[in-house]
Amino acid sequence: DVKVTQSSRYLVKRTGEKVFLECVQDMDHENMFWYRQDPGLGLRLIYFSYDVKMKEKGDIPEGYSVSREKKERFSLILESASTNQTSMYLCASSLRDNQPQHFGDGTRLSIL
Amino acid sequence: SQQGEEDPQALSIQEGENATMNCSYKTSINNLQWYRQNSGRGLVHLILIRSNEREKHSGRLRVTLDTSKKSSSLLITASRAADTASYFCATAPFGNEKLTFGTGTRLTIIP
Repeated sequence: DVKVTQSSRYLVKRTGEKVFLECVQDMDHENMFWYRQDPGLGLRLIYFSYDVKMKEKGDIPEGYSVSREKKERFSLILESASTNQTSMYLCASSLRDNQPQHFGDGTRLSIL
Repeated sequence: SQQGEEDPQALSIQEGENATMNCSYKTSINNLQWYRQNSGRGLVHLILIRSNEREKHSGRLRVTLDTSKKSSSLLITASRAADTASYFCATAPFGNEKLTFGTGTRLTIIP
């Protein structure tokens, strides 16, 4: 079974801090994704990557950046955290385009 | 913007009954996928139906796809308390790596 591991289940940070969310997958998947999930808004794609060092903007990239230095690891960076970035963050991976995505358990991030 | 929209937003049924959820979408798709999310957890893939398929089964799950109406339904038969979760449809457009998720149906099974 594919395992997608997110580094923290819960995280509390302060406004203005630089925040790193880490995600690791163990099945050699090409594609990796970062979403945020907010009540009533469903999942919204922040960034995705289809190869090492490659990245593409999703629907809501503002205020975020990503890094993929190794195939198995995809990091989400909040450059200067703000309260409106308080959310559940979900990482996912897939073998190829349009294939099922495998999700981590999420990081519930609170920005105070 | 959301591609898929689930209906209803919330559904409560007695254990043992069947649950039906619907998904409508706007543009042509390569495939449509259904996911389940238990409270506080990540999403779990349930079933994928391709654009040239009309119906697919997996255990107690039955998915239909009507591309002319741009809609899909998920039927869970003989529901169990463990089926309590949120269910999301996700569409995979042609020529696009991304899935687009709907806002989900919250299903509650009453023991």
